Amino acid sequence: QPVLTQPPSSSASPGESARLTCTLPSDINVGSYNIYWYQQKPGSPPRYLLYYYSDSDKGQGSGVPSRFSGSKDASANTGILLISGLQSEDEADYYCMIWPSNAPRFGGGTKLTVL
Amino acid sequence: EVQLVESGGGLVQPGRSLRLSCAASGFTFDDYAMHWVRQAPGKGLEWVSGISWNSGSIGYADSVKGRFTISRDNAKNSLYLQMNSLRAEDTALYYCAKGYSSGYPDTYYFDYWGQGTLVTVSS
Repeated sequence: QPVLTQPPSSSASPGESARLTCTLPSDINVGSYNIYWYQQKPGSPPRYLLYYYSDSDKGQGSGVPSRFSGSKDASANTGILLISGLQSEDEADYYCMIWPSNAPRFGGGTKLTVL
Repeated sequence: EVQLVESGGGLVQPGRSLRLSCAASGFTFDDYAMHWVRQAPGKGLEWVSGISWNSGSIGYADSVKGRFTISRDNAKNSLYLQMNSLRAEDTALYYCAKGYSSGYPDTYYFDYWGQGTLVTVSS
């Protein structure tokens, strides 16, 4: 069972924004960790997108468009991946990851459908 | 261009062994930590094992500890995973992944991935 909880699916229309969430268990404070995000399309390996710690400590993967961004909701103990200006090629599975110990943990993934 | 090419997967009976390899190119291999991440058919990602640049620090997921051994040969730009006592639940696509940094567990994230090699454990 993944440590991180992601909704199994999400959908949005082209041009709209998609907000994908990654909820940490109550004993892990989202404010203390980098949240990493990966995108995986069918038949392909995961692709690193970005990490988010704070507004002053974040980073974009090589070649990743700026319409992919990260944030946190501390009140919900949740990491967020925001994809603005959705395009058909954004349809994919998205995974979050943290390093709470010596072993990184992935969320179960969210399948994003672009309607 | 960074390239990671896995090999060694296949069909193996429960209890048997298999050795995976990952040939790396396009970057200075001994400057980076390396990892294995697996994905069961239709399922999510699971980290398996990681190794620092100089093999000085190594880690395993609880699910494989005591059965799998990670190693690297910096002279050959290669990463390995020796898998013993294989179980049906080890069936997965095994990815070789490059760490962002040299250390383990201070790898941060995996910035390049291979295409994976499929391991099927079945009688």
